[in-house]
Parts: sequence; structure tokens; C-alpha cells
Amino acid sequence: EVQLVQSGAEVKKPGESLIISCKGSGYSFTNYWIGWVRQMPGKGLEYMGIIYAHDSNTRYSPSFQGQVTISVDKSSSTAFLQWRSVKASDTAMYYCARHGGTTAESWFDPWGQGTLVTVSS
Amino acid sequence: SSELTQDPAVSVALGQTVRITCQGDSLRSYSASWYQQKPGQAPVLVIYGKNNRPSGIPDRFSASSSGNTASLTITGAQAEDEADYYCNSRDNNGYHLMFGEGTKLTVL
Repeated sequence: EVQLVQSGAEVKKPGESLIISCKGSGYSFTNYWIGWVRQMPGKGLEYMGIIYAHDSNTRYSPSFQGQVTISVDKSSSTAFLQWRSVKASDTAMYYCARHGGTTAESWFDPWGQGTLVTVSS
Repeated sequence: SSELTQDPAVSVALGQTVRITCQGDSLRSYSASWYQQKPGQAPVLVIYGKNNRPSGIPDRFSASSSGNTASLTITGAQAEDEADYYCNSRDNNGYHLMFGEGTKLTVL
């Protein structure tokens, strides 16, 4: 079974650093891109960026460029989303998802279960 | 700038047919994929490519596209189809991905 399992919920104070993870299994991890998606409380899905697990080629949404860092560790089939200094506005659910298809037709499947990040003083 | 526009809310009577649309210039060049999200759950892919359903998705879900509009149709909506639905595709340059704002489907 193709599966993405994300790390557990995090509670952080403003200014702290944070890294969350997404471990893939059941498929050839390095053959796919992994994307990250933010969902703020009561809001819609926001695409953050995507990384090709084979060579770490990374593309950030302009809205998130410079705000987060996406990385991957091929040896453990794990993708990461990292903040140097979190803010209260980073409070959200974060999903990872495998990205497949072609340039003309692409999709996210499957999705991780989500990691809830709460930033509060 | 590129964007995908969806109606915020749509309702359908139980057993009837409903169409959820997604508009954007990039859809003239790139197909949309569709996701269903129920409260407290992760999104689930329901349609990809021109009109393909992943394993386990009922055949009452289908998709079509014309010009700058992609559509998700549910034929014979069931109570369990009540959810938020999001489209996803690329921007006009094909480099970045993006989601529509989502449509909340209510089954009456």
C-alpha cells in the first residue's frame, strides 16, 4: 500500500524553529515529487511547494518562497518542511502528498494524514 | 496572475446531479485534478487527468473540461458526498501548482 505518514502535532512559541516530516512507503520514493499544502483553520488548501525526491529539485509557491524550506532524505524516504522562526500566523494543518502524472495532467495522491502546528505564546 | 476560481457553495437534492466548476486561464493548457475533503480528514483524490477515477471512487463522480472551465459532476449525489471539493492545476506558465478556493457541497 502506498502511504505517507506524517509526524505528530507540534506546539511552538513564536520565534522557535520547527521541522515536520513525511515518510513515504510502498513505492519507489525517488521516482516522485512530494508536495506540501497548508490549511489554515476553517480555510482552503494552499499549495506551498514541491520537491523531487530523486535530486531535491525544489519549487516554492511565490507565497511561501523564503518562508519555509522543503528538503528530502532519500535514505529514509522522508520529506521535510522546516521553519527557522515560526509565527502565530503559521498555525495550521500541514499536509504532504505525492505528486504524479505529467506536466499536462498531474495530481496529488496519496495524502498524508496531516500535521497540526500550533504557534502560541 | 494565475488563479482558479470556484463557487464557494453549492447544494443538491439527494439523488440529483450536481456540477462543481473551476475556472482559470491555465485550464486551457493543463488538466485539473479534483479532491474531496470531509471535516477533520485529509483531502482525497477523486478525479485526475481528463476523467479518471482512482480505485475506490464511485463511478457517480466524473469530470469534463471546456475552454477555461473544468467541471466535476456527481450523478445521483449521496449524503456521504457532502464535503468540500477543491480543484488543482498549474499556473499559466506550467511551473507552479495551485488550488481553487474550494466549493462546499451540501446534500439536501
